[in-house]
Amino acid sequence: DSGVTQTPKHLITATGQRVTLRCSPRSGDLSVYWYQQSLDQGLQFLIQYYNGEERAKGNILERFSAQQFPDLHSELNLSSLELGDSALYFCASSETPLREQYFGPGTRLTVT
Amino acid sequence: AQTVTQSQPEMSVQEAETVTLSCTYDTSESNYYLFWYKQPPSRQMILVIRQEAYKQQNATENRFSVNFQKAAKSFSLKISDSQLGDTAMYFCAFIEGRSSNTGKLIFGQGTTLQVKP
Repeated sequence: DSGVTQTPKHLITATGQRVTLRCSPRSGDLSVYWYQQSLDQGLQFLIQYYNGEERAKGNILERFSAQQFPDLHSELNLSSLELGDSALYFCASSETPLREQYFGPGTRLTVT
Repeated sequence: AQTVTQSQPEMSVQEAETVTLSCTYDTSESNYYLFWYKQPPSRQMILVIRQEAYKQQNATENRFSVNFQKAAKSFSLKISDSQLGDTAMYFCAFIEGRSSNTGKLIFGQGTTLQVKP
């Protein structure tokens, strides 16, 4: 158990819908990261927050957004879902940006 | 752009033997961080080992060790005394250095390792 929690574990939804994925980092970790793992794209960095502020953006679509709250948990919002958004979404956390990242169990999103 | 390449899509090894997974990377940074992550069939991402580029000594964690060749930009993972539980996909990953001060992990494509009894 990495100490990072993600909910829900599985999500099945239809095209055009909006979903919210939730992540709670390890106790004491200020950095939260979101990654997408799909069969054709591999593991891709989406976005990073550090102590409530956005620190870095990767290949994140405009339909996707995220935030980190004062209690340091983070949410990833995916809207206008398309079939290609089906993937495993990981949240990770670290003490500081250059330390090792610990991953949550992931949320499996299936868009039908 | 920083890239990470794992040239072995699949490998297999007999239980109790040693196997080495290859990884090369490309960066113009002088300071950076390298990692190996393991993803078993459960899909959980598990940190195996970490190496800081400014440290010349190769990192080790129990049966796992790395061969870090900075000039060659190579970072291979050696698994000794392979166990059935080592069966997983292994990802090499890289964080660029302090110039950006982000923790953006760049992953290789992964190597699927099967340990055979």
